[in-house]
Amino acid sequence: AQKITQTQPGMFVQEKEAVTLDCTYDTSDPSYGLFWYKQPSSGEMIFLIYQGSYDQQNATEGRYSLNFQKARKSANLVISASQLGDSAMYFCAMRRGGTSYGKLTFGQGTILTVHP
Amino acid sequence: DSGVTQTPKHLITATGQRVTLRCSPRSGDLSVYWYQQSLDQGLQFLIQYYNGEERAKGNILERFSAQQFPDLHSELNLSSLELGDSALYFCASSVESGSRQETQYFGPGTRLLVL
Repeated sequence: AQKITQTQPGMFVQEKEAVTLDCTYDTSDPSYGLFWYKQPSSGEMIFLIYQGSYDQQNATEGRYSLNFQKARKSANLVISASQLGDSAMYFCAMRRGGTSYGKLTFGQGTILTVHP
Repeated sequence: DSGVTQTPKHLITATGQRVTLRCSPRSGDLSVYWYQQSLDQGLQFLIQYYNGEERAKGNILERFSAQQFPDLHSELNLSSLELGDSALYFCASSVESGSRQETQYFGPGTRLLVL
């Protein structure tokens, strides 16, 4: 079974600073994908970034980067130069490879608050 | 805008009632997923359909059912509603090639309140 753990219920960061949101995962599958989603107060789920289990390099998407440490089973999201609009709930999620395993397993989420 | 549409956005109903939530996937996506987000359970996978066929089931109650139609839109039917069914219900879609890197794009959700 897969499990995602986000140990930080809430995080605070000053505008323009960088922040790291933690995510650890547990799976016995060699092939898996890791995703981060953002959920603003309006409720929608916005895809941010993806990291594959076989990827050699850490994923980056604009101000988002993923610190992937496979041996430690961690996939932390780094947001650089935080903006007020980054205040939201952030979810880490995982899926297995293969057509029968498309579901995402989510962590409990981390609420990020960006202070001006 | 993810390209996934869900209706209605809000739904208020009474216990014991039945409701239908509707989802239209992104153009070209064959797979539809339903998720439930509640305060106590977090985000939980309910069910997946691929090109009209049920592909995978998660923590979906027997009172809940879903289907995907030939035009690929999907409906989630919730019956004999209980207070605990109050939640945000998401639909997501993907091409579903089976790749682990395939991204699911979420609709705006339907917020259900059972009184």
